[in-house]
Amino acid sequence: KAGVTQTPRYLIKTRGQQVTLSCSPISGHRSVSWYQQTPGQGLQFLFEYFSETQRNKGNFPGRFSGRQFSNSRSEMNVSTLELGDSALYLCASSTREVGYNSPLHFGNGTRLTVT
Amino acid sequence: AQKVTQAQTEISVVEKEDVTLDCVYETRDTTYYLFWYKQPPSGELVFLIRRNSFDEQNEISGRYSWNFQKSTSSFNFTITASQVVDSAVYFCALSYSGAGSYQLTFGKGTKLSVIP
Repeated sequence: KAGVTQTPRYLIKTRGQQVTLSCSPISGHRSVSWYQQTPGQGLQFLFEYFSETQRNKGNFPGRFSGRQFSNSRSEMNVSTLELGDSALYLCASSTREVGYNSPLHFGNGTRLTVT
Repeated sequence: AQKVTQAQTEISVVEKEDVTLDCVYETRDTTYYLFWYKQPPSGELVFLIRRNSFDEQNEISGRYSWNFQKSTSSFNFTITASQVVDSAVYFCALSYSGAGSYQLTFGKGTKLSVIP
C-alpha cells in the first residue's frame, strides 16, 4: 500500500506570495490532518478534514486554509506568506473509523522556505 | 489543556547501550491515547506505538519497550542494545477529541544520537 504522498517536497517563496501544498492519503483513509513543524514551536496542529469537512482547526491565523476533495486528497493554502511561515508542513492520514485511537500515518512533508 | 513534556532535548549513547526516553503528559480527559513517533532525517514521522489510558500493561517489541504509568502520568520508551539506525528524533504525543475532531499534542522531541 502506498504511503502518504506530499508534493512538492521543497518550496521557496517570497514574502507576500501564496502557496498551495498537496497531500494524497493512504488509500482508504478518509481523515487528513496537517501539522506545522518549526524548530521553535515544534509540531503544531493546523487542521483536520474528514469526508470533505473541516473537523477542527488549530490556533493559526486565517491565512492558513485547507480543503479536502471527494477522493480524500487534501490541499492546504497559505496566503500572504510571512518569514515565520517557513517550516516543514506534514500531512497525515488515518482511518478514523473508531474515534480518536487510530494512529496517524505521516508523509515526508513539504519544506517551505519564505524569503 | 493537554501538554506533553519531553525533558531530554538530546541524548547521545554508544552503540549497544540501552537508552530510555522520558515522556510526561497532562490531560483532564479520562480517556486518551498516547503515541510514540520516530522522525529520521528524511522527515517522515513513523508511528511506533499507541497505548490507551485504560491499558497500563508494558509492551515490548523487539528492542523497543514502553512503560506506561498512569500514577506518574508517564509513558517512557526504552531502546535496548541501541543501533546507529536508531538515531532520530523521537516524539511522544497525546490525543484527545475536541469538538468532534482528533488531533495530537506533541512533545518537543528528543534527539537520539547513537555513536558507533
